[in-house]
Parts: sequence; structure tokens; C-alpha cells
Amino acid sequence: NAGVTQTPKFRILKIGQSMTLQCTQDMNHNYMYWYRQDPGMGLKLIYYSVGAGITDKGEVPNGYNVSRSTTEDFPLRLELAAPSQTSVYFCASSYPGASTDTQYFGPGTRLTVL
Amino acid sequence: GIQVEQSPPDLILQEGANSTLRCNFSDSVNNLQWFHQNPWGQLINLFYIPSGTKQNGRLSATTVATERYSLLYISSSQTTDSGVYFCAVSLTGTASKLTFGTGTRLQVTL
Repeated sequence: NAGVTQTPKFRILKIGQSMTLQCTQDMNHNYMYWYRQDPGMGLKLIYYSVGAGITDKGEVPNGYNVSRSTTEDFPLRLELAAPSQTSVYFCASSYPGASTDTQYFGPGTRLTVL
Repeated sequence: GIQVEQSPPDLILQEGANSTLRCNFSDSVNNLQWFHQNPWGQLINLFYIPSGTKQNGRLSATTVATERYSLLYISSSQTTDSGVYFCAVSLTGTASKLTFGTGTRLQVTL
């Protein structure tokens, strides 16, 4: 299993540009999440999904959109990039059960908006 | 929302030393996880421990849910233990949406 994969690893955007961060998991997890991590801080939840076709906002959703058409994929869309969106973005997945709810993280995408 | 505080914020150890990291949280939780973020930025799940005690090699963790804290013990530390340790929690019925603490940065020196 590859686990959770993210592309691209790095990206530089100009203010006002748009892009999609890709996330794929091959563990058949129903729950997926997008977090952002600013320098020296913990992670903050942007959006999450509990299954295909179901998404909801997290703590910091402004400026982002998501979709979940399949179990495996959970892309994050940035519209009109702003310097405040400079961050490292992590995708995660989990399969909550009776005895565990471990979240597995991808390697992250480092985004700079200039 | 729920508050998560970790202490100490920074820790420097010599190789072979032991350490205890603490996580306090402000509400009842049904999900608590400890993560290690290595110097390359990768997040690795160490423990899923909403209550009780678990051990994995040199690492162990204890959560006392009724008193709203969790402890992570690192014994015989190695340089590869360096990085940032995060505690993250979620409330019952919240689709496991994790709230992270600000972390403890650990540096293990030779």
C-alpha cells in the first residue's frame, strides 16, 4: 500500500492564481481530511469528508473548496491565492472503528504565494 | 472550541536520557492521538489513546480522560527521536475532526 499520497510536493503561486492540491489514499478509508500547518504551529482543519459525496467545513475553510467523487480521492482547490495561504498542506485519512481511529497523513505540499 | 496545551514547548536531551511530554485538554474527548513530525516534515502516528496506557518499544503513553491530560514517555532517547511531538484530540460526535496542540520540539544531542 502506498498509503496517502499528495501532489505536488512544492508549488509557488502568484497572488490571484488558482490551483488544485491532489490527495489519494489506497486504504479504503471512508474519512478524509485537509489540514494546513503554518510555521511553528500545529495543524488546523480546513475541510473533511466522511464519504464519497459528503464534505463539510473545518476550522479554516475560507478561500478553499473540496470535492469527494470517489472514496480514494479528495482534492483541495485554492481559488484566488493570497499570501495568507502560504503554508504546508497535509491530507489525512482514517477508518473509525470500535477500537481505533488513527489518522494517517500524507507527506504534505509546501505552498508559497508571492 | 476545545483547547489543547502541550508542555514543555522545547526540550533538549542528551542521547540516552528519558523525558515526559504532557498534553492538557479542556473538554471530554473520545479521540486522542500522539504524532511525531520528523525534521523532514512527515507526520507519523505514534499512539491512538483516548484512555489508558499503551507501549510501543521505547515509547509509552498514558491518558487520564477524567482529568483531561495525556503523557508521552520517551525512554533512552536517540537522535532519531528529534522533531516535534503533537497531541491531537477530537470530541465525541465530531467525525474525528482533530484539534492539534502547538507541539513540543525535542532535540536529542550526542
